Amino acid sequence: DTAVSQTPKYLVTQMGNDKSIKCEQNLGHDTMYWYKQDSKKFLKIMFSYNNKELIINETVPNRFSPKSPDKAHLNLHINSLELGDSAVYFCASSQRSFSLSDTDTQYFGPGTRLTVL
Amino acid sequence: RKEVEQDPGPFNVPEGATVAFNCTYSNSASQSFFWYRQDCRKEPKLLMSVYSSGNEDGRFTAQLNRASQYISLLIRDSKLSDSATYLCVVNMIENAGNMLTFGGGTRLMVKP
Repeated sequence: DTAVSQTPKYLVTQMGNDKSIKCEQNLGHDTMYWYKQDSKKFLKIMFSYNNKELIINETVPNRFSPKSPDKAHLNLHINSLELGDSAVYFCASSQRSFSLSDTDTQYFGPGTRLTVL
Repeated sequence: RKEVEQDPGPFNVPEGATVAFNCTYSNSASQSFFWYRQDCRKEPKLLMSVYSSGNEDGRFTAQLNRASQYISLLIRDSKLSDSATYLCVVNMIENAGNMLTFGGGTRLMVKP
């Protein structure tokens, strides 16, 4: 039983292409996130959605557009891919967005390794 | 200055050793604290939360010093399976959202 799943696991594409990464969680969580982990291994939040509504949008180029069709899914569409977009993208989910409870853990998907050539 | 700073390591230790990692955070408004573990080419997973009073989970002990904005993780009796990257994470409410900020991680390699 996979709690947070992402597809595809690997994505190799040419500069300038448009691609999407899909994420689904079966935990019944209200909040989902996209993170980017670059070659230096820093994990940075990109977006957060609570119940299909965008609540955090960090400084991310507007070539990146998240879409949440329902609270179990958060997809990431990237237009006009650039070399610097190469990274591992992690989806995550948590029970509630507005809780600082230390038990409100974020669960991560397995990651999508994007390589832009 | 990075918001969450960690020594990247690697820390190379023999099995059975005790090893400690430290982390500092810059935002005094940070409200909860965690250690996550990330294995090579895998996703981060929660190792333990960190409380002001200090807390222990088996061989792992975490401490928080809010005045110094400092978090630590102590691993006793290291096992080969402890080899991983340990991520220090702080959490705050920002712009009405729940925001985790990750350190760059400290790499631990436990050798036989």
